[in-house]
Amino acid sequence: SYELTQPPSVSVSPGQTARITCSGDALTKQYAYWYQQKPGQAPVLVIYKDNERPSGIPERFSGSSSGTTVTLTISGVQAEDEADYYCQSADRSGTYEVFGGGTKLTVL
Amino acid sequence: EVQLVESGGGLVQPGGSLRLSCAASGFTFSSYWMTWVRQAPGKGLEWVANIKQDGSEKFYVDSVKGRFTISRDSAKNSLYLQMNSLRAEDTAVYYCARGVVEMEQHGCGYWGQGTLVTVSS
Repeated sequence: SYELTQPPSVSVSPGQTARITCSGDALTKQYAYWYQQKPGQAPVLVIYKDNERPSGIPERFSGSSSGTTVTLTISGVQAEDEADYYCQSADRSGTYEVFGGGTKLTVL
Repeated sequence: EVQLVESGGGLVQPGGSLRLSCAASGFTFSSYWMTWVRQAPGKGLEWVANIKQDGSEKFYVDSVKGRFTISRDSAKNSLYLQMNSLRAEDTAVYYCARGVVEMEQHGCGYWGQGTLVTVSS
């Protein structure tokens, strides 16, 4: 079955830039989506179609794609950004969807 | 305001059945793909199933094929997940989610708060 690979954890100091990667063979063909989930809460979409930001999401959140890897970048990280982040995409056929294992972002 | 409200979760014995519902409001339900996503306690997100706007296409993760059925009722603006032959590994919070863009299959633009399903004897 298709898999997306994320680092389990990323740590960054306030005001610095956090980069969370997500790798998968089909990412050259399928868009990626990124979600933020805080403890006890439902996930929130922060980036869609690789690099589009939904309304209401701060500009410090951005996305990019290069080959089989997509990256979520959070510029000027704030304490409130501490959360789990998940990437999502589809397999090469576009039929089945999958989430990455998640990355815990810690703001030091 | 988009709202998704799940219901129907609870405690069920292994081998039992449960039907989850998701009441949608604040958007044109018949224009969006809908998705069920689950999260086992302390674990990551797992895509479970999705369904096209008119119900003509449905897709499932391999682990639930033949046991779960996704459906929708546009007259009631509701999404359902019929879960049969439940196993301990199906224990999770189940989220209902709406597509990001009208008519497009992928992504979850809005999420409900989830309903907990516990499979245990």
